[in-house]
Amino acid sequence: DVKVTQSSRYLVKRTGEKVFLECVQDMDHENMFWYRQDPGLGLRLIYFSYDVKMKEKGDIPEGYSVSREKKERFSLILESASTNQTSMYLCASTSSGSSYNEQFFGPGTRLTVL
Amino acid sequence: QKEVEQNSGPLSVPEGAIASLNCTYSDRGSQSFFWYRQYSGKSPELIMFIYSNGDKEDGRFTAQLNKASQYVSLLIRDSQPSDSATYLCAVRSGAGSYQLTFGKGTKLSVIP
Repeated sequence: DVKVTQSSRYLVKRTGEKVFLECVQDMDHENMFWYRQDPGLGLRLIYFSYDVKMKEKGDIPEGYSVSREKKERFSLILESASTNQTSMYLCASTSSGSSYNEQFFGPGTRLTVL
Repeated sequence: QKEVEQNSGPLSVPEGAIASLNCTYSDRGSQSFFWYRQYSGKSPELIMFIYSNGDKEDGRFTAQLNKASQYVSLLIRDSQPSDSATYLCAVRSGAGSYQLTFGKGTKLSVIP
């Protein structure tokens, strides 16, 4: 059974803290993605990676960075958390080779920044 | 900026009726189209994908694609209360791109 896991389901942090969100997939997928989901705004792409050590900015990269040191792991970093980064964060992965490959999602991390 | 538009709803249908969910997209080069279902508090899960004009059926679900009109829809026949969820339309652009652009979703309520 395919699986994408995220390090935490719920996280509460304080303004200014450095926050790490981790995502691990066991499907040997090349491509991994970080989204945030907010009411009324839908899913928005923050960053994605198509290979180890490769990263590309998505639509809303400001305030975030990412790291992909191993194929199965993709980390999202909030360098200095702010209240407007309170959101649901979703990680996804997909394989290369076909445009019809679906993205598989992790369970999500609900981050609250106080 | 690639855009995917959906009516936010809520769309309410009685149990046993047909629910029709619609989506339009702006990028004419889009090649494949996905419908995800998302229950409250859960992550999206794929229901169907389609890439050729016409209809594609899978059980109670039918996806319809019209590339000339840049329109994709999802029909749910014999709607059940368990179908109550938010439905996300997602579009993938040209070959070599693995990114998806998501619509904001349509919330469906199936009334028993």
